[in-house]
Amino acid sequence: EPEVTQTPSHQVTQMGQEVILRCVPISNHLYFYWYRQILGQKVEFLVSFYNNEISEKSEIFDDQFSVERPDGSNFTLKIRSTKLEDSAMYFCASGGAPGHRLSYEQYFGPGTRLTVT
Amino acid sequence: KQEVTQIPAALSVPEGENLVLNCSFTDSAIYNLQWFRQDPGKGLTSLLLIQSSQREQTSGRLNASLDKSSGRSTLYIAASQPGDSATYLCAVQQETSGSRLTFGEGTQLTVNP
Repeated sequence: EPEVTQTPSHQVTQMGQEVILRCVPISNHLYFYWYRQILGQKVEFLVSFYNNEISEKSEIFDDQFSVERPDGSNFTLKIRSTKLEDSAMYFCASGGAPGHRLSYEQYFGPGTRLTVT
Repeated sequence: KQEVTQIPAALSVPEGENLVLNCSFTDSAIYNLQWFRQDPGKGLTSLLLIQSSQREQTSGRLNASLDKSSGRSTLYIAASQPGDSATYLCAVQQETSGSRLTFGEGTQLTVNP
């Protein structure tokens, strides 16, 4: 069964460093997402991506964040200068196949645990 | 702004019991509602998706209902098992350009043998 994959599973970085989190969405999906979950808190939406551009972003997704789909399979989240408060589990999700309606199931990857020290 | 609330925050039941988890949301402009399961330190596993036009959806021992006009959903788990122990999250897909999911805080379920 197709699944969303994410690498690495755990990333430790120092404050101020740049990190890139990688995701491979399900191959025929059209919409891609990043969410995060700070320990003990709700899962929060960061950004959605469709047709090679951002379709929606939250107030969390400020100028230090960027997303890219560099080729036909990968979807990345870059944090330019990490802060302590960026420590969280980051989830990639995908959904919406060709011919879909507006409503579709989102499938989540296993997450990348980011620890900023 | 959409707010999703789940009650109770935690639930502990003996094996074999039937149970109900509750989810409420404030904005009815949704495409659908999804229930997820999250094991400690793990990702989200989709359990059920209910379209906004549907009232109910079933998968095995799970049954989810949706009352869009009142902003409520329930997840019914029949004959609970220790392997059902996990955190259950509900999320609504907004009628926005990016179709974001807005999540509740989750219900932490423990099923005791």
